This record gives sequence, C-alpha cells and structure tokens, in this order.
Amino acid sequence: DAGVIQSPRHEVTEMGQEVTLRCKPISGHDYLFWYRQTMMRGLELLIYFNNNVPIDDSGMPEDRFSAKMPNASFSTLKIQPSEPRDSAVYFCASSSRDRGLQETQYFGPGTRLLVL
Amino acid sequence: AQSVTQPDIHITVSEGASLELRCNYSYGATPYLFWYVQSPGQGLQLLLKYFSGDTLVQGIKGFEAEFKRSQSSFNLRKPSVHWSDAAEYFCAVGGPAGGTSYGKLTFGQGTILTVHP
Repeated sequence: DAGVIQSPRHEVTEMGQEVTLRCKPISGHDYLFWYRQTMMRGLELLIYFNNNVPIDDSGMPEDRFSAKMPNASFSTLKIQPSEPRDSAVYFCASSSRDRGLQETQYFGPGTRLLVL
Repeated sequence: AQSVTQPDIHITVSEGASLELRCNYSYGATPYLFWYVQSPGQGLQLLLKYFSGDTLVQGIKGFEAEFKRSQSSFNLRKPSVHWSDAAEYFCAVGGPAGGTSYGKLTFGQGTILTVHP
C-alpha cells in the first residue's frame, strides 16, 4: 500500500492567494482527517470526514478555510485568501473501522505551507 | 471534552539509558489511547495503541506503554534508548465506536526527545 499521499509537499505563496492542498487516503479507509501543526498550537484537528461526508468541522479556523471530499479517494483543503498566519504543516490522515483498525490513523507526510 | 497532557516538553537522555514519557488524559469513559512518533520533516507514525484488555501494550521499535486507569495515565517506556529514537512523541486519546467522539483523536502537545551519545 502506498500510504496516505499528499500534494504538494511544499507550497510557498503570497498573502491573498488561493491555496489548495490535496490528499489521497489509503484505499478502503472510510475516515479522512485534516490536521494543522504549528509550534504555537501543536497538532490541531481541522475537519474530518466519514464516507465522504464531513462529520466535524469545528476546528476549521474561519470561513477562509474549506474542505471537500468528492469521492472516497480524494480530498482537498482550500484556503482563500491565504494569510501569513496560515503558515504551518498540514497533515492528512485516514483510518478504517471495517478492517478492525479502529481509530488507528495513518498520516501522510504533510504539506509545508509558507504564506509570505 | 477529552484532553491530553504531556507534562514534559523536552527530555534528554543518554544512549542506552531507559526512557519514560508521561501522558495524562481526561475522558469520560474508557478511552482509546495512542502513541505516535514524528521524526523531523516527517508525518506521524503509530508506535502503539490501547483499546482494551492487557494494560501493558507492546509497540514497534521496542517501545511499550502501560494504561493506568486510576491515574488516568498512559506512559511510554523503553528500556534502552538508541540515537535513532530522537524525535517528537505524541500521545493521543480517542473515543470508542458508537460514541460521539468516535474517529476523532485529541493529541497532546508532544515531547521532544534528545539522545546524547
């Protein structure tokens, strides 16, 4: 299995630009999570999906952030417009209940975002 | 609401010494507990997990953790640390199947481990 795939691995953009982060979960996993990691706030859960449906988006910082999961193998996290304080590492993770791997989340390598 | 506290932000040990990383959790029922490790520039990798049963769980890379309900703790241990263990370690708590918190993990702030030769 290829694991969770995230793209791009690094992104540098200017304030005000739109940023789109992409994630491909492990095949067969029915949960997908988006996290943000910063030195100040640690690892924060932004939103998670079950069977492509958003379950909890209470961690999404504000309306500039949106996430979609159009099918079981793809999700996006979009920031529009981006701000310097959005600079962080964004992780995607997936998990599955059906295979008995309850709540074991498998993380992707992350996208390092720098907003200038 | 569930929460996790890792009291030690940074720990330094000598190679070959024993290690214990502390984790305390707050959760209204029997939790699911995890330890993850993150090497610099990498994602998080699962070390071990506790769902039920034997309170001493074994993980990868020679790590183990013990669930103590009375102390609300899930401390990570390793009898002899290797230089390659230098990384950041995260404890996490999740809810059981059927609960409202199922699928959602809450992470501690992490403990950075430095290993001296």
